[in-house]
Formats: sequence, structure tokens, C-alpha cells
Amino acid sequence: GAGVSQSPRYKVAKRGQDVALRCDPISGHVSLFWYQQALGQGPEFLTYFQNEAQLDKSGLPSDRFFAERPEGSVSTLKIQRTQQEDSAVYLCASSPQTGGGRYGYTFGSGTRLTVV
Amino acid sequence: GIQVEQSPPDLILQEGANSTLRCNFSDSVNNLQWFHQNPWGQLINLFYIPSGTKQNGRLSATTVATERYSLLYISSSQTTDSGVYFCAVDPTTSGTYKYIFGTGTRLKVLA
Repeated sequence: GAGVSQSPRYKVAKRGQDVALRCDPISGHVSLFWYQQALGQGPEFLTYFQNEAQLDKSGLPSDRFFAERPEGSVSTLKIQRTQQEDSAVYLCASSPQTGGGRYGYTFGSGTRLTVV
Repeated sequence: GIQVEQSPPDLILQEGANSTLRCNFSDSVNNLQWFHQNPWGQLINLFYIPSGTKQNGRLSATTVATERYSLLYISSSQTTDSGVYFCAVDPTTSGTYKYIFGTGTRLKVLA
């Protein structure tokens, strides 16, 4: 597609519920990143994929967070047993190069998750 | 880990004014980008600028990597420039191109 598409745009989850957030990167983009942005803060790195390989998951805050990109295109970020501190905007970005590099990122519009 | 500090945290300008936003980082970096997050939350890549100076219309940026800072200049500001400006750096030690974002400068341009 023309841009990075994320769905749903908004998600309200009850505490303890599992959620799945989807990212459709720009077609052909090798690199895919997930970031978490709390209210009033800058985005924080969660994980990085190069094609289908998850090369860095050092930013995932707990083992309740899991990300996959099985065919090297669409990616899903799953959060199990959601807690209130998981409330944030989850941003996906893609890049045509390995890593972000000089081509930079193209970000999606994000999924705003609210845990009640 | 690397610290990325941006100043000022908040800025209010009258339309047509110029401004300079600053980004200081505490360690050497491979890459540096400036982003604009509009009031609807969309992050737009403005510049990839690990060193040197670049210009794009009314915006320009300068990075002095040896002194660990970058500046974003906005000239003849417009109301559409409102939003949050982020500096993001890729530390030399990271190895996987993950960007560390600063806390941002929130800009409001008044008509």
C-alpha cells in the first residue's frame, strides 16, 4: 500500500484481556519496528524485524508482549493479560533498508490502546 | 543508556516567526532523525541528518556530531507547523538501528 497501515485505530480492553494489534508495512519494506508511546512522552522502541526474523526484542516490557512477522510482511503485536500500564499508543514503522538507516522510517498512524 | 534531551519543552509562536529547536545527546550516534508529530498523532520524518546541514523549504537542520547536538530551524512558521518535534538517535552501540527518541518540543503556532 501507499503507507503503513495499522488496525484497529482504537482498542479498549478490560484488564486481563488479550489483544492483537496489526501492522501492514509498505510493500517490499524489509525492516519493521514497533514502538510504544505513552501520553506526553516520546516513542519507545519495542522490537525490530528484518523480513521475518526478529533481530531485537530488547524493548518488550515483559513476557506478556509478543510480536511476530511470519511471512516478512504483516506483523502482529500481541499483549496477553493486559494491565492498565499497557495503555499507550502503539506505533509501527517500516523502512526499505535493513535497519532504519538513511532512508528513515515511515510510521503508521498507531493504535491507541486503553485498558480499563 | 544514551540520554536525548530536547529544548525548549514548549514553544508558542506567532505565525511568521522563526524558531530553533535543540537536541543534545550524551553519546556517539550512527544516525539521527528529526520527526514532526502532528496534532492527529501522525509521525512524519523531516530529516535524516547524522552530521552536517540540510534544508527542505522553510525547515533546515544541522548536526554537530562531535559536540553531540542537533538543531532544527523553522522559519516563517505557519499554523500547520504546530505539533511535537522529536529528535531520535541511533546509538553507535545499538547494532540494530533502534532509535531512541527525545522527550520532544511541543510547538503551537498562533494565527
